[in-house]
Amino acid sequence: TQLLEQSPQFLSIQEGENLTVYCNSSSVFSSLQWYRQEPGEGPVLLVTVVTGGEVKKLKRLTFQFGDARKDSSLHITAAQPGDTGLYLCAGSNTGNQFYFGTGTSLTVIP
Amino acid sequence: NAGVTQTPKFQVLKTGQSMTLQCAQDMNHNSMYWYRQDPGMGLRLIYYSASEGTTDKGEVPNGYNVSRLNKREFSLRLESAAPSQTSVYFCASSDASGSYNEQFFGPGTRLTVL
Repeated sequence: TQLLEQSPQFLSIQEGENLTVYCNSSSVFSSLQWYRQEPGEGPVLLVTVVTGGEVKKLKRLTFQFGDARKDSSLHITAAQPGDTGLYLCAGSNTGNQFYFGTGTSLTVIP
Repeated sequence: NAGVTQTPKFQVLKTGQSMTLQCAQDMNHNSMYWYRQDPGMGLRLIYYSASEGTTDKGEVPNGYNVSRLNKREFSLRLESAAPSQTSVYFCASSDASGSYNEQFFGPGTRLTVL
C-alpha cells in the first residue's frame, strides 16, 4: 500500500531555476522526513518536520509541513548541479513503520 | 562512527540459491529495518525490528526471513531466491526513543537473481 504520492516523478531543469516537489497523502503523520539519494548510495536524511504548518530551511532548500500534517513540499531556490538526485519523502507515526513516497528524480543541467 | 554498514555490496545468485544479507549499526539504535527499492516503486519495507529480540513483517515479507542477532546486527535471509527478488536492498536504523523517528541508511546491497 503506497500511502504517499510524490509529484512530479521526474524533473529536469536548468541551473539557476527554482522548483517545488510535492508529497501528498490522505493519512495524517506525526512526522515527515525528506531524503536525498544519489546513484549507488543509500538515502540521506535532509530534514524532519513534526508540527503542522512548520517551515524549515536548509540553505537553498525550504521544507513545509501542511497544516493538517498530510502533505509536505520541498522548494529549491536557484538549483545547482549538485542538487541532482532522487528526493524521497517518508511519513511516520508513533509506531515503528515509515511509509515512503515513490520519489522525485531531479536533474539539474549546467 | 561507521553508521550503518551492509555486506555484501553486490551479489549474483541463481534461482533457488540461498543467501544472507548482513547489516550492522554502531549508533546504539533500538530499531532496525530492511527495505527493497525497485524502479518506480520507492522503498518498500520487508521486515523491521523495534528492539532486540523482536521482529515484525512489513509490506512485502514473502520469501524473506530476518534475525535480530543483537542490538547491533539485523540480517535478512533469502531461502530460495527468485528473479522477482532482484532489487537493491537497504538496511536502516532509528532511535525510536525520541519524540520522533529518524532513519539512517546503509549503502545498499545490489542483488541480481538469474
